[in-house]
Amino acid sequence: EDQVTQSPEALRLQEGESSSLNCSYTVSGLRGLFWYRQDPGKGPEFLFTLYSAGEEKEKERLKATLTKKESFLHITAPKPEDSATYLCAVRPSNAGNNRKLIWGLGTSLAVNP
Amino acid sequence: DAGVTQSPTHLIKTRGQQVTLRCSPKSGHDTVSWYQQALGQGPQFIFQYYEEEERQRGNFPDRFSGHQFPNYSSELNVNALLLGDSALYLCASSAERASGVVYTQYFGPGTRLTVL
Repeated sequence: EDQVTQSPEALRLQEGESSSLNCSYTVSGLRGLFWYRQDPGKGPEFLFTLYSAGEEKEKERLKATLTKKESFLHITAPKPEDSATYLCAVRPSNAGNNRKLIWGLGTSLAVNP
Repeated sequence: DAGVTQSPTHLIKTRGQQVTLRCSPKSGHDTVSWYQQALGQGPQFIFQYYEEEERQRGNFPDRFSGHQFPNYSSELNVNALLLGDSALYLCASSAERASGVVYTQYFGPGTRLTVL
């Protein structure tokens, strides 16, 4: 069964304290892995798409990496405005299931000033 | 360039009623997907519409139905509402016409449905 697991469930950091969020996945063929940020009561905001193992993408203080079994979202010197829930989703490649995103439960990040 | 828009923002209904939620995709996108997100959970895929047809469906009962219009906008209809249907309903749009590339889904702000 296709599955996405994110860890930790919650993370509290001090401003400037770098850390990493993990997304491990089990899927029958990967068409893409996606990272989103979600603020309370709002829709997910797109961050990155990764397609193949070894790929890396960066945006401001965020860097996403991908292996064959997991992805990491590295946050360097976070600021309070980075506080949000970070969601990971995968898109399987098997026919009949390849249009949807399968989501993890997210990591709730709080950055204290 | 307007992103994905959804209406209404909030909705309160009672059990047994019917509801219609609306979504306008991002400019240039031709595909709309609908998701249900319960509090503290990741979004759950309901279905996807492309060329005015339902292309794929998640594990949701037939009470959940949809429609896509020629301008690519979409509606989600839920009949015989249950308390458990209370959730944030998310619409995502993407450009799926081209083959060989997995296009990113961009989300709207969501509609918060409360069933009393």
